[in-house]
Amino acid sequence: AQTVTQSQPEMSVQEAETVTLSCTYDTSESDYYLFWYKQPPSRQMILVIRQEAYKQQNATENRFSVNFQKAAKSFSLKISDSQLGDAAMYFCAYQEYNNNDMRFGAGTRLTVKP
Amino acid sequence: DTAVSQTPKYLVTQMGNDKSIKCEQNLGHDTMYWYKQDSKKFLKIMFSYNNKELIINETVPNRFSPKSPDKAHLNLHINSLELGDSAVYFCASSQGRDRGVEKLFFGSGTQLSVL
Repeated sequence: AQTVTQSQPEMSVQEAETVTLSCTYDTSESDYYLFWYKQPPSRQMILVIRQEAYKQQNATENRFSVNFQKAAKSFSLKISDSQLGDAAMYFCAYQEYNNNDMRFGAGTRLTVKP
Repeated sequence: DTAVSQTPKYLVTQMGNDKSIKCEQNLGHDTMYWYKQDSKKFLKIMFSYNNKELIINETVPNRFSPKSPDKAHLNLHINSLELGDSAVYFCASSQGRDRGVEKLFFGSGTQLSVL
């Protein structure tokens, strides 16, 4: 079974600095999606960034970028120039390409210090 | 052993039908949720129940009705299914005691296809 592991239950970063959240996953598939979702107190799940496994280039979205290492099954999220509004729970997720089966990591609670 | 389980995994049905998706959690959590993942992979919250009481009810057609017989179960009933209802639906749970950011535990999803 596919599993997603986020080894950092909590992380903190100083405002304007950079933080990296780690995620590893286990799969025997070659085609899949990887996501980082942000969950603010509203419980809404905001898609931060996505990566298709067949793409070698790392996805970027403004201050958010990933380091996708397919062979190592690693998918870390880097947040640059951290802002107070980045404080939230972050979930790494894996979804199979063909059947939409999805697995979430346990989440990393990010605190941003002013 | 599955913490949050939802059934069925796949649901294929005709327009106009009524269907249900079931969700159960064995974590002892007080709060359960339903999310809808659209084709662009956005996850949108639909409903949340805390101890069988509805606490979040986003703008969702009233054809969608959650039902929570007890705090370990939150089922989603959908009446008069439409093509646009096709999506993957995720159930989740949390302890519900933290008013701030909560750690969610998700089910593996139910893929609904309306033909």
